[in-house]
Amino acid sequence: GDSVTQMEGPVTLSEEAFLTINCTYTATGYPSLFWYVQYPGEGLQLLLKATKADDKGSNKGFEATYRKETTSFHLEKGSVQVSDSAVYFCALIFSGGYNKLIFGAGTRLAVHP
Amino acid sequence: ETGVTQSPTHLIKTRGQQVTLRCSSQSGHNTVSWYQQALGQGPQFIFQYYREEENGRGNFPPRFSGLQFPNYSSELNVNALELDDSALYLCASSRGQGADSPLHFGNGTRLTVT
Repeated sequence: GDSVTQMEGPVTLSEEAFLTINCTYTATGYPSLFWYVQYPGEGLQLLLKATKADDKGSNKGFEATYRKETTSFHLEKGSVQVSDSAVYFCALIFSGGYNKLIFGAGTRLAVHP
Repeated sequence: ETGVTQSPTHLIKTRGQQVTLRCSSQSGHNTVSWYQQALGQGPQFIFQYYREEENGRGNFPPRFSGLQFPNYSSELNVNALELDDSALYLCASSRGQGADSPLHFGNGTRLTVT
């Protein structure tokens, strides 16, 4: 079945370090891909998305490129801040269907000063 | 613009009981979906309501049911609670369905079943 696999956390970085969180997916069709972020005690917030191969989603310094050939959507940021500490979820959804997002297990990021 | 609000924020129930969780969708949104997030896991899709009808369901048993009201608010009902139902329940609303209709999530209801 369709699924999303993320690198296990926690990821611990110093402020201003480079961030990569790996995400790969298995899908029978051509999904749209998303990164959501969950801050402590809050719900999920959409961080960025890409709807087709080679699209790059970006927001707040975060970027991810939809790679169809490697079925990947890795999240990157050039310089993380303490305020980026959160849990990051990679997810997919199919166009034309209902709102069934398929999520990965999440990756916790901790950024220290 | 008012976001998605859920109530209550926390709830403790005993195994075998029934529970109702509530969600007010964001203004202008006509679609509501519910997700279950177990501790340390990603959210899992329970079902979706569009125009007061359930039109999509994940791999959850019938004791998980819901309603959507004319103002697009929604309820999630769970009967015969089991210990494994302990989780964060997230409601999300959108203007439509699918990839072109971003979901806006509430902060969730933390359900503990003892």
